[in-house]
Amino acid sequence: NAGVTQTPKFQVLKTGQSMTLQCAQDMNHNSMYWYRQDPGMGLRLIYYSASEGTTDKGEVPNGYNVSRLNKREFSLRLESAAPSQTSVYFCASRDRGPTDTQYFGPGTRLTVL
Amino acid sequence: QKEVEQDPGPLSVPEGAIVSLNCTYSNSAFQYFMWYRQYSRKGPELLMYTYSSGNKEDGRFTAQVDKSSKYISLFIRDSQPSDSATYLCAMTSGDMRFGAGTRLTVKP
Repeated sequence: NAGVTQTPKFQVLKTGQSMTLQCAQDMNHNSMYWYRQDPGMGLRLIYYSASEGTTDKGEVPNGYNVSRLNKREFSLRLESAAPSQTSVYFCASRDRGPTDTQYFGPGTRLTVL
Repeated sequence: QKEVEQDPGPLSVPEGAIVSLNCTYSNSAFQYFMWYRQYSRKGPELLMYTYSSGNKEDGRFTAQVDKSSKYISLFIRDSQPSDSATYLCAMTSGDMRFGAGTRLTVKP
């Protein structure tokens, strides 16, 4: 099992450019999440998907859109990148078993110039 | 005020020391409490999980939850250089909330 995979690992954008971050999980989890991690701020939830076909806003959704393509894949799109979106982005999926654990991908480091 | 407060450190200790990491929270509805470990340039991975108040031990790691004080702790005994990482507390009653993380360095 690969767990949670993310592409790309690194990306540099210019202000105003768009891009899509890809995430896939092979653990048959229903719930998937997108977080951003900034120094001193911890992990902040951007969007989540409780199940295939549903998406909901988290704490910091402005400037982002998401698509739950199927049970495995959950993508995050920046339509018009801004320097404030420079961050490390993590995708996670959630096991609703006894431990209610979230499993994280390796992250995408995004710089917006 | 943040729902979860965690001292970001950094914390530097000699090898073999006992490490204490802590978080406070404001939402009394939280019932599940977790500690994640995050190595540099990696994603967080679950280290410890506790339900409600009490202690849980796993090898050199002990997690404590005091719901009456809204305070959780992670203790690391006989710390090793390989424990050098950022430790994030997390808690949930449905929606997960994370602390900012404490960066720990264990020096040989």
